[in-house]
Amino acid sequence: AQTVTQSQPEMSVQEAETVTLSCTYDTSESDYYLFWYKQPPSRQMILVIRQEAYKQQNATENRFSVNFQKAAKSFSLKISDSQLGDAAMYFCAYCGGSQGNLIFGKGTKLSVKP
Amino acid sequence: DAGITQSPRYKITETGRQVTLMCHQTWSHSYMFWYRQDLGHGLRLIYYSAAADITDKGEVPDGYVVSRSKTENFPLTLESATRSQTSVYFCASRRDSPNEKLFFGSGTQLSVL
Repeated sequence: AQTVTQSQPEMSVQEAETVTLSCTYDTSESDYYLFWYKQPPSRQMILVIRQEAYKQQNATENRFSVNFQKAAKSFSLKISDSQLGDAAMYFCAYCGGSQGNLIFGKGTKLSVKP
Repeated sequence: DAGITQSPRYKITETGRQVTLMCHQTWSHSYMFWYRQDLGHGLRLIYYSAAADITDKGEVPDGYVVSRSKTENFPLTLESATRSQTSVYFCASRRDSPNEKLFFGSGTQLSVL
């Protein structure tokens, strides 16, 4: 079975600085998709960024980028120029190409200090 | 407005009672999901459905029942609620492709006393 591991339960970053959240996954599939979701205190789930495993180029969305290392099964999220509004729970998620279900990690709580 | 709605938003019940959480989406998305969110566990998949009348177990299906007679509805039933089922429950939906994003409902906070 596929698993997603986020080894950092909590992280903290100074406003305007850069922070990297870690995610590793375990799978035997070659075709799959990876996601980062953000959950602010409102409980709303927001898609931050996604990556197709067949693409070598790392995905970027404005201040958010990923470091996708397929061989190492690693999918870290980098947040540049951190803002107070980035404070939230961040979840890494995996979806196999042949599956329908999305598996989430346990999350990393990010605090942003002014 | 189009979207995905869950009801109720909050529910308090007693152990042993049957509880049904409702989920309705207006996009005709093929896939629908039920997750529970607990501190220290993240989101865990309970059940999911690829289409009407097709459902599959997730990571933590015990004690839950789902049905999907219509594409737009995916109710989750706790047949005999236990305290360990106290949680926040999220319903989600998405289109066919696995790289599509999930659209989440606002969640149901369930307390089992």
